[in-house]
Amino acid sequence: DTGVSQDPRHKITKRGQNVTFRCDPISEHNRLYWYRQTLGQGPEFLTYFQNEAQLEKSRLLSDRFSAERPKGSFSTLEIQRTEQGDSAMYLCASSLVPEDTDTQYFGPGTRLTVL
Amino acid sequence: AQSVAQPEDQVNVAEGNPLTVKCTYSVSGNPYLFWYVQYPNRGLQFLLKYITGDNLVKGSYGFEAEFNKSQTSFHLKKPSALVSDSALYFCAVRDVRNRLAFGKGNQVVVIP
Repeated sequence: DTGVSQDPRHKITKRGQNVTFRCDPISEHNRLYWYRQTLGQGPEFLTYFQNEAQLEKSRLLSDRFSAERPKGSFSTLEIQRTEQGDSAMYLCASSLVPEDTDTQYFGPGTRLTVL
Repeated sequence: AQSVAQPEDQVNVAEGNPLTVKCTYSVSGNPYLFWYVQYPNRGLQFLLKYITGDNLVKGSYGFEAEFNKSQTSFHLKKPSALVSDSALYFCAVRDVRNRLAFGKGNQVVVIP
């Protein structure tokens, strides 16, 4: 399968713990996006990378959140000192610019539950 | 800011009947519009997009969407619904900074 992959698919943690998610984009895709989806809502933009550079960050991304894409391939999203309000589906997407700038292809998501 | 609205929470349709899922948009400048579908515990699957050109856009799985500038709408349609089309459908608009803004989604239920 050459689609976007995310790991883990599910994560249960206790409030106050740190968690890290990984996203592997479609091979050769140079843009990588993170979104968050809460129950009953559409996904909300968090941040995106062009190669290894983080070009945009949403105000939703508090200082407890950090995202990296060190080699311009996979990306990690870390949440420190998790809170119950962080419980959500975290979605990763990738695209190829400029050939297909407009279409973002999504992974299966990581569902986070904070107890 | 760019935004989309999906006015209905749930759309019920009998198998074999036409399916329409509504979306209206609000943008400054030219709209870049998308439809995605989400099955339970799965990510979003791209269905189709409107960037420019013909107002009728054809996409995956027999879906199409009609762009209407005067009504600021981008409704998703399928001539004959299948039970397997039951899923959550999201309309989205891309802003100038390449961020997608999604609607709240429509649950489609196709009744056998």
